[in-house]
Amino acid sequence: EDKVVQSPLSLVVHEGDTVTLNCSYEVTNFRSLLWYKQEKKAPTFLFMLTSSGIEKKSGRLSSILDKKELFSILNITATQTGDSAIYLCAVESRGSTLGRLYFGRGTQLTVWP
Amino acid sequence: DVKVTQSSRYLVKRTGEKVFLECVQDMDHENMFWYRQDPGLGLRLIYFSYDVKMKEKGDIPEGYSVSREKKERFSLILESASTNQTSMYLCASSLGRGNIQYFGAGTRLSVL
Repeated sequence: EDKVVQSPLSLVVHEGDTVTLNCSYEVTNFRSLLWYKQEKKAPTFLFMLTSSGIEKKSGRLSSILDKKELFSILNITATQTGDSAIYLCAVESRGSTLGRLYFGRGTQLTVWP
Repeated sequence: DVKVTQSSRYLVKRTGEKVFLECVQDMDHENMFWYRQDPGLGLRLIYFSYDVKMKEKGDIPEGYSVSREKKERFSLILESASTNQTSMYLCASSLGRGNIQYFGAGTRLSVL
């Protein structure tokens, strides 16, 4: 039973488009939600969200958390081919052992020139 | 910057071989993790460790064991490799609860 569900699983867009990636979760005693970007190597950290309604932003990427509705979105504006990657969402529960994360299956984003 | 280093990017092994995957982190992190990543399944936790010689099973520990003799090093062992263990293996480390996990580049293991 998935605790973290990402949608869509796959997305193809053209350069310049804006995309929204979704992550819903179901964990008890939520602590934090993290977004990672994975190209053909190590997942790299993008954002950690702990509070509802506070947008985190880094360049063209932004993310927000809704703890009432139990989801987060990751927005990418003016997409570039370099944004092509798997985007991973992960959640930590306060009750989880030792800071373990529960990952979603990821969204494969492909940006065509 | 945090650095998590996995010893091999690619490995090819035969069925039945004993396989060691090594991971080293340089930030004095308490926790270390081993995941496998398969298409359509995301990252699944195999084992994790919160201190030297301490370990906890993750969601899919069958067929694997781990060793943490030094704080900076966490090894994943496949006692007798099987074809269904062909996968991408990712190591991660973190300071502890509420902290970011940092990942290594991954080892793509093929078992023939």
